This record gives sequence, structure tokens and C-alpha cells, in this order.
Amino acid sequence: DAGITQSPRYKITETGRQVTLMCHQTWSHSYMFWYRQDLGHGLRLIYYSAAADITDKGEVPDGYVVSRSKTENFPLTLESATRSQTSVYFCASTNGRYTGELFFGEGSRLTVL
Amino acid sequence: SQQGEEDPQALSIQEGENATMNCSYKTSINNLQWYRQNSGRGLVHLILIRSNEREKHSGRLRVTLDTSKKSSSLLITASRAADTASYFCATDDATGGGNKLTFGTGTQLKVEL
Repeated sequence: DAGITQSPRYKITETGRQVTLMCHQTWSHSYMFWYRQDLGHGLRLIYYSAAADITDKGEVPDGYVVSRSKTENFPLTLESATRSQTSVYFCASTNGRYTGELFFGEGSRLTVL
Repeated sequence: SQQGEEDPQALSIQEGENATMNCSYKTSINNLQWYRQNSGRGLVHLILIRSNEREKHSGRLRVTLDTSKKSSSLLITASRAADTASYFCATDDATGGGNKLTFGTGTQLKVEL
């Protein structure tokens, strides 16, 4: 199906475990983003990418790792999950420029126990 | 820190009434966007207004932008129950290279029958 898909949609893990959230888009958009959404904070940018093999830190990158070996995929890894990383994570993409219209996935709700 | 702050945080109106929500931001921008988020879903782009525009319309939506006050408003006319959602403004930062969007904390709109 065309669009942007995230997996898993729901994940429960334990403190200290590694977790990878997947993001896949079928539009061949150049730019991809990871945001986290928490009550009282709105959406905060974690990492973004302008193209394959080009990534950059956003507002809250600590504790997260990203890679972009292919244009269509932008996985987000929590190397050692902490309770403060309990959140809803959104992947988004756009084409043309960083700050054009963003297309969002449906989100991945992560709970760290 | 948040670039955009929406006001009010929550708004409850009757179907058929107009809904107005406001967004204030801190730095010079290239464009400002509004997004809608239904409960449990990803964000959906509504409208983009550029810094040299003062007003823009899209269906029942009207957006204004006042760069001298660093503020924007979103008006939804003749609201419907289906408009119940959270609404976010998003801005780039022209002084910081404008390479990413920053979202506000959102306005929760409830439209009652």
C-alpha cells in the first residue's frame, strides 16, 4: 500500500532492552523525521534525514540512534530503553524541502516498564 | 523549547458554531502550517501559509498570519462533530536555516451535537 507505515504500532518493553521502531514510505520522499509526542510537550523532533546516509539530530536525540541506508526506510533504535522514553513515536516524510507539508505515519506507542 | 504555542489548550463548542484557535511563535519564519490529529491517529496537514501571506482559505478553514505579532489563527467555520480533534501549528525557524518544523502543544477541540 502507498503511504508511510510504522511498525510495531504498540510495544511494551523493559528498561535496558533495545527496541527498534520501523518506518517505511513508498513515495521516495527525500526527507524523513522522527518525533515523539508526550502530554504537555507536543511533538518534539528526535532525528531527521535529508537523504540516504544523511542524518541529523533534532531537539531530543539522546538515547536514540537512527540510520538510513535506503531512501524508503528510517528506523529508530532505542539502544537501552528507559522509562522516560515511554511515548508515542511518529515518523513523517516530505519531499522538496525540509519544511514542506509533512505526511505522518499512524504512530508507535511504546511503553517502557 | 516550543517554537509555537497554541491557545486555548482546550475548546468546546456546539455543532454549527465557529472555532478559533491561535498560535504564537518566537522567531522569524518562512512558513507556518496547521495540522489536525484525531485521537490515536497520526497528524494530517491542513494548510500552509507563507510569511508573505496574510490570509489563506481552504474549504471551511481560514488561516491568518501576523508576522509583526508572530501569531497565527485558525478559524473553522460551521463546525461539525467530525472536526473534534487536536490542532497543532508548526513553524520553521528562518533564523536557524529553516531546516525543520517545530510543533506547538496543540488545541483540543470538541464539537458537541
